[in-house]
Amino acid sequence: DTGVSQNPRHKITKRGQNVTFRCDPISEHNRLYWYRQTLGQGPEFLTYFQNEAQLEKSRLLSDRFSAERPKGSFSTLEIQRTEQGDSAMYLCASSLVGGPGYTFGSGTRLTVV
Amino acid sequence: AQSVTQLGSHVSVSEGALVLLRCNYSSSVPPYLFWYVQYPNQGLQLLLKYTTGATLVKGINGFEAEFKKSETSFHLTKPSAHMSDAAEYFCAVSEDTGGFKTIFGAGTRLFVKA
Repeated sequence: DTGVSQNPRHKITKRGQNVTFRCDPISEHNRLYWYRQTLGQGPEFLTYFQNEAQLEKSRLLSDRFSAERPKGSFSTLEIQRTEQGDSAMYLCASSLVGGPGYTFGSGTRLTVV
Repeated sequence: AQSVTQLGSHVSVSEGALVLLRCNYSSSVPPYLFWYVQYPNQGLQLLLKYTTGATLVKGINGFEAEFKKSETSFHLTKPSAHMSDAAEYFCAVSEDTGGFKTIFGAGTRLFVKA
C-alpha cells in the first residue's frame, strides 16, 4: 500500500493555459474523490468516481473543468483556460465502497499567474 | 443538507494543557463524523471517525471525540498537548447516501506554546 499519489506537487501556469493533474489511488479502493482547498478554508467537494463512472459533480466544477477515470484506476483533472481564481490546492482521496473515511494524497498546488 | 461549523478558527494552548476543538454538525440522517489533521503543504490525515456504536471514539496520537446527538456536536479533545500537535484540524460529516460524499468545516488551527 503506497497511499494516494498526486502529480505534480506544484504547478505554476499562466492565465489562459490548460493544466492537467493526475491522481493514483490506493489500488483496491474503487471510489475516488477530487476536492479543492483554498487558503484558510476546508476542502470543497468537486466530484467523485465509483470505478470509472463519474457519479456526482459539484456546481463548483464549471465547464472549464473535466475529470476522468478511464479504467477505474488513476484519475485526471483538467482545467482549461485557467483563471487566477483557480489557484488552490487540489486534493485527491480514495476509499472503499461501503467504507466512510478517506485516504488523501498530498495534493497539487496550482498557482495561476 | 449536511453542514459543519467549527467554533474558533484559531486555538492556542500551552504544551501539556488540554486540547479542545469544537465542532457542530447538521445532517438530515444519522451522520458519519470525522476529524482530519493537516500539516503544512500536506494532504489530510484521518484522526478518528464515528460511524455507529460507542459514542466516544479514540483516534491516533491520543485524540478522542464524543458524538453527542442531542447537542449535534463532535468535539475533539486530547488531555495533554504536544508541540507536534500544532496543525490544522478539520471536522467533517458524511451521509450514507451512496457516495459517502464528505463535507468539511473551515478548520481550526491549533498552536502549541512551549
